[in-house]
Amino acid sequence: GENVEQHPSTLSVQEGDSAVIKCTYSDSASNYFPWYKQELGKRPQLIIDIRSNVGEKKDQRIAVTLNKTAKHFSLHITETQPEDSAVYFCAAGDSSASKIIFGSGTRLSIRP
Amino acid sequence: NAGVMQNPRHLVRRRGQEARLRCSPMKGHSHVYWYRQLPEEGLKFMVYLQKENIIDESGMPKERFSAEFPKEGPSILRIQQVVRGDSAAYFCASTQGALSYNEQFFGPGTRLTVL
Repeated sequence: GENVEQHPSTLSVQEGDSAVIKCTYSDSASNYFPWYKQELGKRPQLIIDIRSNVGEKKDQRIAVTLNKTAKHFSLHITETQPEDSAVYFCAAGDSSASKIIFGSGTRLSIRP
Repeated sequence: NAGVMQNPRHLVRRRGQEARLRCSPMKGHSHVYWYRQLPEEGLKFMVYLQKENIIDESGMPKERFSAEFPKEGPSILRIQQVVRGDSAAYFCASTQGALSYNEQFFGPGTRLTVL
């Protein structure tokens, strides 16, 4: 089955700097890669997703890149702000799958 | 996505008791997923259901855990004879259709504490 690894587990960046979170997956059939943000005590919420027919997707300060050959994908947050502090989860699934598999999460802290 | 409802939000049980967790998907959604999240850990898939059908239960422990999504009413995750290791946050999520083409909306979670 699919296995998703996520790094780093914790990340602290200065406000205004960029943050990068990386994930690798094992199943070459995976073609759907969502990213979720979970604030303390809250539910996970989708922030961006990418499908394997594109290599990069951007939404304002957030971008995701995908390298299918290497089986890794990354989340990039630019001009970080205090409200970006949260736990971020990557996930992977394929169109025929009944589930997506989550990475272990990255706790992002933004230093003022 | 306030439409996915879970109750109770907090549940305390003693070892050996039963826990019943309820999930009402968003209106128009017929696909429900249950996840378990241990403190400081990620979301572990448990089970995927459609109305009256269990589609994938590969993440469910073999014993004590069961799930259903009846034709009418919420989806239920049932844990029998709870043990301390069952203490976790249990999230359900729903989609309108196939997962990889539809956003998965999460409920607020049920935090189960086993004493």
